[in-house]
Amino acid sequence: GAVVSQHPSRVICKSGTSVKIECRSLDFQATTMFWYRQFPKQSLMLMATSNEGSKATYEQGVEKDKFLINHASLTLSTLTVTSAHPEDSSFYICSARDLLGGTGELFFGEGSRLTVL
Amino acid sequence: GQSLEQPSEVTAVEGAIVQINCTYQTSGFYGLSWYQQHDGGAPTFLSYNGLDGLEETGRFSSFLSRSDSYGYLLLQELQMKDSASYFCAVRDGGRRALTFGSGTRLQVQP
Repeated sequence: GAVVSQHPSRVICKSGTSVKIECRSLDFQATTMFWYRQFPKQSLMLMATSNEGSKATYEQGVEKDKFLINHASLTLSTLTVTSAHPEDSSFYICSARDLLGGTGELFFGEGSRLTVL
Repeated sequence: GQSLEQPSEVTAVEGAIVQINCTYQTSGFYGLSWYQQHDGGAPTFLSYNGLDGLEETGRFSSFLSRSDSYGYLLLQELQMKDSASYFCAVRDGGRRALTFGSGTRLQVQP
């Protein structure tokens, strides 16, 4: 079945640095990918919709200059957390839907746990 | 916009049956999904209801009533490994992402 892969699974960085998280659809093309953030014991909150070849669409309250999204190919979207601060520490999860095949089910990557010191 | 409500916690014993309810409000409706998430892991798909009625997949079943904007996930023959968080989610059409409920934390006790 369709698989979405995310890397790195865990990252620890110093405050003020930038961190890039990659999300790949391994066996299908994804013109659209979705980035979620999840704080401990809370739900998944949609941050932005990544669109291949065009600008991402950000949800209200999400700073586009802080969370840079690039979707340069049909199988790769990247999320860069710029100038990270401790409050950005969270579980970031990407997802994609195989629109051409399968059931249209939304598949999730393994998630990336970011800890900002 | 969309909003979903589900209980925050449920506790049950091994072998029992548990039902997790979900009510939703959406501007458009394209089905109700259920996901399971273990601590530290990513959500995994469990079930989807696009039409009214019951969908059964092994020990898990899901039900939808569109007229009541209500659905539930039924877990039978509970096992310890079923201890996890369960989320209901809706999609408002097209290629939009899912909106998740707040999640129900299920604890299965021996």
